[in-house]
Amino acid sequence: DADVTQTPRNRITKTGKRIMLECSQTKGHDRMYWYRQDPGLGLRLIYYSFDVKDINKGEISDGYSVSRQAQAKFSLSLESAIPNQTALYFCATSDPTLQGRQYFGPGTRLTVT
Amino acid sequence: EDKVVQSPLSLVVHEGDTVTLNCSYEVTNFRSLLWYKQEKKAPTFLFMLTSSGIEKKSGRLSSILDKKELFSILNITATQTGDSAIYLCAVISGGYQKVTFGTGTKLQVIP
Repeated sequence: DADVTQTPRNRITKTGKRIMLECSQTKGHDRMYWYRQDPGLGLRLIYYSFDVKDINKGEISDGYSVSRQAQAKFSLSLESAIPNQTALYFCATSDPTLQGRQYFGPGTRLTVT
Repeated sequence: EDKVVQSPLSLVVHEGDTVTLNCSYEVTNFRSLLWYKQEKKAPTFLFMLTSSGIEKKSGRLSSILDKKELFSILNITATQTGDSAIYLCAVISGGYQKVTFGTGTKLQVIP
């Protein structure tokens, strides 16, 4: 969905570096999510936020942190990147009236060397 | 712990074949089940199912939910190479709409 954008789209970084992935949305949704996708493992939830003041850990939050700067912006940080954080990262939004349907950004392919 | 299991994990068929993808789940306080198609990048929405026995249909794709047996199937008839993708099942549960994804089924349709 063009209403959910992610930057950068591709990034190569070195072990130990700090990196931030950014997500912006124009859908007006309160709920935002960060997922990670590895081959054969589907989508795994890293963090989610139901509004600016409500941030929650998902199933794989270790090594990651997030910031909800505004309703429209949700950033994911890797404080000290490691190779096993190499993956495809998706941001998503949803509205509770839509029974859980999510709208995904285009993804960020991150490689940690 | 909530669990969503998809089968098969991967599938190769010829154009024109009919395929059935499966999604079973164990969650607390089921709300809805969604199917997404993922080609190159982001998943795109296909269906949302909330009631048992009511088929959702879109062209050659259809899906149905069985809340008693806790599963859903996604059928694709007369497959085309453009159907090649990963198909993801997600279950929504609980009062705050927790999302649990399955690992996906990778479908390859060969000419």
